[in-house]
Amino acid sequence: AQSVTQLGSHVSVSEGALVLLRCNYSSSVPPYLFWYVQYPNQGLQLLLKYTSAATLVKGINGFEAEFKKSETSFHLTKPSAHMSDAAEYFCAVSETGRTGFQKLVFGTGTRLLVSP
Amino acid sequence: DAGVTQSPTHLIKTRGQHVTLRCSPISGHKSVSWYQQVLGQGPQFIFQYYEKEERGRGNFPDRFSARQFPNYSSELNVNALLLGDSALYLCASSVPGANQPQHFGDGTRLSIL
Repeated sequence: AQSVTQLGSHVSVSEGALVLLRCNYSSSVPPYLFWYVQYPNQGLQLLLKYTSAATLVKGINGFEAEFKKSETSFHLTKPSAHMSDAAEYFCAVSETGRTGFQKLVFGTGTRLLVSP
Repeated sequence: DAGVTQSPTHLIKTRGQHVTLRCSPISGHKSVSWYQQVLGQGPQFIFQYYEKEERGRGNFPDRFSARQFPNYSSELNVNALLLGDSALYLCASSVPGANQPQHFGDGTRLSIL
């Protein structure tokens, strides 16, 4: 079974500072990886996805993530945090079931706090 | 274009009751998945339906069931509700393929008293 681990349930940064949210994956096959963001009382919004086309993936709202096979990592970064970035962030890996269906396996999430 | 829509947004039930949650996928998406998100955790996979057939099921009891209609909308049913069923239930739609992202609705917040 595939899985992802998000280190740090909470990350605090100051506005304008670098954002780094960590995600490590476990997969026996080349993984398809995703980052989602969840604002309070909302569903999940796709930030970006890795599908093996390029190791550095750019997403929405200035976020990007780098796939590093040697480190089994897919960390999410943003050069300068905004107050509006405060939310819960989830890393996920796509897993194929026995009948060929696809499901997302999520990490436990990291809450990003941004202070003025 | 409309995203994934779910109804109702909030629901309060008591133990032992049953509930039906509804989901309309993005136009053109034939695959619908359901996830349960307990407070403070990541979403957990419940079901996936494609072309009106169940294609996958997560580790949930038989009290959970679902179906997909000819217009690709879907319903999630939960019988004999327990306190532990209190959660945000998320619906996601997608086109087929492991590299295709799933697009989520805003969820239904289910509270069991």
